[in-house]
Amino acid sequence: EVQLQESGPGLVKPSQSLSLTCSVTGYSITSNYWGWIRKFPGNKMEWMGYISYSGSTSYNPSLKSRISITRDTSKNQFFLQLNSVTTEDTATYYCARRPGDYWGQGVMVTVSS
Amino acid sequence: DVVMTQTPPSLSVAIGQSVSISCKSSQSLVYSDGKTYLHWLLQSSGRSPKRLIYQVSNLDSGVPDRFSGTGSQKDFTLKISRVEAKDLGVYYCAQTTHFPYTFGAGTKLELK
Repeated sequence: EVQLQESGPGLVKPSQSLSLTCSVTGYSITSNYWGWIRKFPGNKMEWMGYISYSGSTSYNPSLKSRISITRDTSKNQFFLQLNSVTTEDTATYYCARRPGDYWGQGVMVTVSS
Repeated sequence: DVVMTQTPPSLSVAIGQSVSISCKSSQSLVYSDGKTYLHWLLQSSGRSPKRLIYQVSNLDSGVPDRFSGTGSQKDFTLKISRVEAKDLGVYYCAQTTHFPYTFGAGTKLELK
């Protein structure tokens, strides 16, 4: 069974970087596409970007140059880095396999000083 | 970006009733391969989203056939027949035809 699990700090200070890890079991990340999605307070959901089976990436233009998604195939993990965070980045962050058939449990990240 | 307009924002329903949720996209969701990448997800309280239907009308494994999806191009509908208590939560439509992928604003299904 495919399982995803996010990990990372729940609190980040403004202007710093947010870094999260998604650990995948039951399926190789060298197949398919793997993404990061966030849900803001309220119901709004945003697909942030994804990394493909080959390592190529696509990012939501709304995040401009702040986002980076990388991977470690030896550990079957992929990573999110979001730079220069503000309070507007407070959200629950999910990793998922595109097109959304498997999701992690989510990690709530608060940006606050 | 493709705007997904989902209505209604909330639904109050009695157990056993049937309900429908509408999702309209600002562009056609037909991809160059001829497929339409419009999906429906449910997020129950305290849980991560779960996909129920993919590519308009295909039920994910384990999803009861009380759920059905219809539509084409820019206009889509999720129907839930004989609502059960475990169906409560927030429903989203989502498109993965055009990047950035986008979601509807959600429909909260709650008990009357």
